[in-house]
Amino acid sequence: SSALTQGPAVSVALGQTVRITCQGDSLRTYYASWYQVRPGQAPVLVNYGANIRPSGIPHRFSGSRSGSTASLTIVGAQAEDEADYYCYSRDSSGDHLVFGTGTQVTVL
Amino acid sequence: QAQLMQSGAEVKKPGASVRISCKASGYTFSAYHIYWVRKAPGQGLEWMGIINPNGGDTSYAQKFQDRVTMTTDTSMTTAYMLLRSLKSEDTATYYCARGTFGYYDDWVDPWGQGTPVIVSS
Repeated sequence: SSALTQGPAVSVALGQTVRITCQGDSLRTYYASWYQVRPGQAPVLVNYGANIRPSGIPHRFSGSRSGSTASLTIVGAQAEDEADYYCYSRDSSGDHLVFGTGTQVTVL
Repeated sequence: QAQLMQSGAEVKKPGASVRISCKASGYTFSAYHIYWVRKAPGQGLEWMGIINPNGGDTSYAQKFQDRVTMTTDTSMTTAYMLLRSLKSEDTATYYCARGTFGYYDDWVDPWGQGTPVIVSS
């Protein structure tokens, strides 16, 4: 299966904005969903589809898509946002699902 | 409120099998797929496969195709994942999760608490 490619790590100052990207040909057709993974905890869905936030997810998390790239933007990052973030979508065949390589977000 | 509760930690020897259960509650079990995902130490999330409790159709990642079997018991609203011929590289935390499949905007939520599996001689 073709992987979804993410940058390995990014840092953001407290209260500032950070964007995490996910690249893959399948994203031209399928939306990505985004998952926050804190150490030792189960993943949490933070955004999916055309920028839909599950109940309880702060408004500072927003998703978008342009061509073969999906993005998760955190506007006004908080200390509790420090985590690994993974995108998730179909592979290039469309028959299977695949996670992105993950991006570590550090809040300074 | 949808919840998934997984079975406890396992320690297995190489070559053995492990079966993990995932008890669903708070939603109509047959209305959503069950995903299985694992996270090895220092590694990223890895999709293993998916099962539709409504009929039992499965789709497995190619990497696990010959070693994994996913099943459901709709009367017990429980999903099971059996992984055979364990290797040390299978040491990971295994998660089940509820999700959609077959749409342009699939999502996975909520997730079980995870089941640590250690494979060691």
